[in-house]
Amino acid sequence: DVQMTQSPSTLSASVGDRVTITCRASQSIRTWLAWHQQKPGKAPKLLIYKASSLESGVPSRFSGSGSGTEFTLTISSLQPDDFATYYCQHYNGNSRTFGQGTKVEIK
Amino acid sequence: EVQLVESGGGLVQPGGSLKLSCAASGFTFSNHWMSWVRQAPGKGLEWVVNLNPDGSEESCVDSVKGRFSISRDNAKDSLYLQMTSLRAEDTGVYYCARDWSDSSGRSLDNWGQGTLVTVSS
Repeated sequence: DVQMTQSPSTLSASVGDRVTITCRASQSIRTWLAWHQQKPGKAPKLLIYKASSLESGVPSRFSGSGSGTEFTLTISSLQPDDFATYYCQHYNGNSRTFGQGTKVEIK
Repeated sequence: EVQLVESGGGLVQPGGSLKLSCAASGFTFSNHWMSWVRQAPGKGLEWVVNLNPDGSEESCVDSVKGRFSISRDNAKDSLYLQMTSLRAEDTGVYYCARDWSDSSGRSLDNWGQGTLVTVSS
């Protein structure tokens, strides 16, 4: 089974900061990677699919990159609405696995 | 607009059973794989199981093999999760999520609001 490892687990940042979250897969998943945002008490929301494609309606300050085993999610200028937990998720084959999550907190 | 509405959660004793339902609307249900994802209290997301469009192929996480069974009724645009031999560690919010289709290139792109399952005596 593919394991997904995110870093950091927690990130403290200020409004306007550039933020980068990393996700590593235990084996190559080509570009079959998604990023989701979750706020407390709410369902997750898809931000990025196929490693770098922006989901419709998602602000352009969000971007994704990577292939194979190394991936990043970047928020170019952090906004108040972006304080949340972010999860990477692979979909190479039929199974899926999430990373453990990265909580983005207010500094 | 895509909508996924889960139901069937509740309190169940260890070793008991529960069946969750997910009613889908706003898209062609029979074109998509569908997944169940859970989240234990205060923990991260855990993918549980998915099912292909015609219901003939499924994948699941090792911890639920032999205990959980996923099914679908494409005529009713509905997804189900039959859970048996429930354990305390199965406690959490269970989400229904739209998964892969050949045309979308996406996975888990729409989620329901979740239904809470509590396994406790």
